[in-house]
Amino acid sequence: SAVISQKPSRDICQRGTSLTIQCQVDSQVTMMFWYRQQPGQSLTLIATANQGSEATYESGFVIDKFPISRPNLTFSTLTVSNMSPEDSSIYLCSVISQGYEQYFGPGTRLTVT
Amino acid sequence: SQQGEEDPQALSIQEGENATMNCSYKTSINNLQWYRQNSGRGLVHLILIRSNEREKHSGRLRVTLDTSKKSSSLLITASRAADTASYFCATDYQGAQKLVFGQGTRLTINP
Repeated sequence: SAVISQKPSRDICQRGTSLTIQCQVDSQVTMMFWYRQQPGQSLTLIATANQGSEATYESGFVIDKFPISRPNLTFSTLTVSNMSPEDSSIYLCSVISQGYEQYFGPGTRLTVT
Repeated sequence: SQQGEEDPQALSIQEGENATMNCSYKTSINNLQWYRQNSGRGLVHLILIRSNEREKHSGRLRVTLDTSKKSSSLLITASRAADTASYFCATDYQGAQKLVFGQGTRLTINP
């Protein structure tokens, strides 16, 4: 299985500011995914990040609010822009193994005040 | 919504008992995965079962899949306090590799 790390593990931010979350994988992967888990809820996919192309966003999520970078096959960032308290969530990145298992990072717990 | 449904939403049992959680989904799938999440932390991958498989085992875990009923179950045998967590099923959506998650089952194991 892939080893995935995320930074920061948690943060408390003021509304109107932006936070960039980093995701690092210990092996090269084609596709990386970013999910959001709002308090007490399940996970929802934000976008799919492929190296060398623009990220593909799910309905309800837009690039201006959640810009994503994928500079190489082991790293990606998700920025939460112009934050409001509704953005308080756990943000998780994930990758797919050759056997199609999808593995998740430890998550970034974001609180917006 | 394309999300699946899980039941029960919450389950509380005594240590040593078996715990069964169910998951239903709406569209055809290539595979279904089960995850565990402790106290809002990251997700731990438990088992992947493919659409052409009916049952899979891993240690104390047993997963079944019934594609005709679009449902799956996760059985944890001889439960332990450390099994206390939320359990989620996730399916690949329309053959794509992105996952659609169920709402989860909150499992509590009482000592």
